[in-house]
Amino acid sequence: GENVEQHPSTLSVQEGDSAVIKCTYSDSASNYFPWYKQELGKRPQLIIDIRSNVGEKKDQRIAVTLNKTAKHFSLHITETQPEDSAVYFCAASGQGSSNTGKLIFGQGTTLQVKP
Amino acid sequence: DARVTQTPRDKVTEMGQEVTMRCQPILGHNTVFWYRQTMMQGLELLAYFRNRAPLDDSGMPKDRFSAEMPDATLATLKIQPSEPRDSAVYFCASGLVDNTEAFFGQGTRLTVV
Repeated sequence: GENVEQHPSTLSVQEGDSAVIKCTYSDSASNYFPWYKQELGKRPQLIIDIRSNVGEKKDQRIAVTLNKTAKHFSLHITETQPEDSAVYFCAASGQGSSNTGKLIFGQGTTLQVKP
Repeated sequence: DARVTQTPRDKVTEMGQEVTMRCQPILGHNTVFWYRQTMMQGLELLAYFRNRAPLDDSGMPKDRFSAEMPDATLATLKIQPSEPRDSAVYFCASGLVDNTEAFFGQGTRLTVV
């Protein structure tokens, strides 16, 4: 089945700097790659997603890139702010025989933005 | 504002007792997921339903866990008997169709003593 690896597990940056979180996946049939943000004590919420027919997607200060050949995708946050501090999860799902519709998450990255 | 609703929010129970967690997916959503979140394991997929049919429960300990969808408005996750290692936050999520945004409920924080 699908396996998603996420790095780093923790990331500390100064306010205003950029943050990059990277994920790799194992199933080449995966075609949907969302990113979720989870604040302390809250539910995970979608912040951006990308599909396999697109290489990059941007929404204000956040962007996601996808390399299907290498089976990895990354989240980029520019001009970080203290309110960006949270746990970020990448995930993958697809339509292959082993993971149709199953949403598999990476282990999470705890981002701390220092004022 | 449609949301996934989970009950109870918090549950403390003694080892060996049965625990039932409930989830009301967003009306019209066809996919339902159950996840377990611990500090060490992140978001671990326990079960996945599409149109109320269980598609995958390979992540679930079969001897003590069971997941069902008696109807389109209710998904349940049962643990019998519960053990201290089951202590975690259990999230339910629903999605309109495969490979679209999954909306999470508030979670059930389970503590087994």
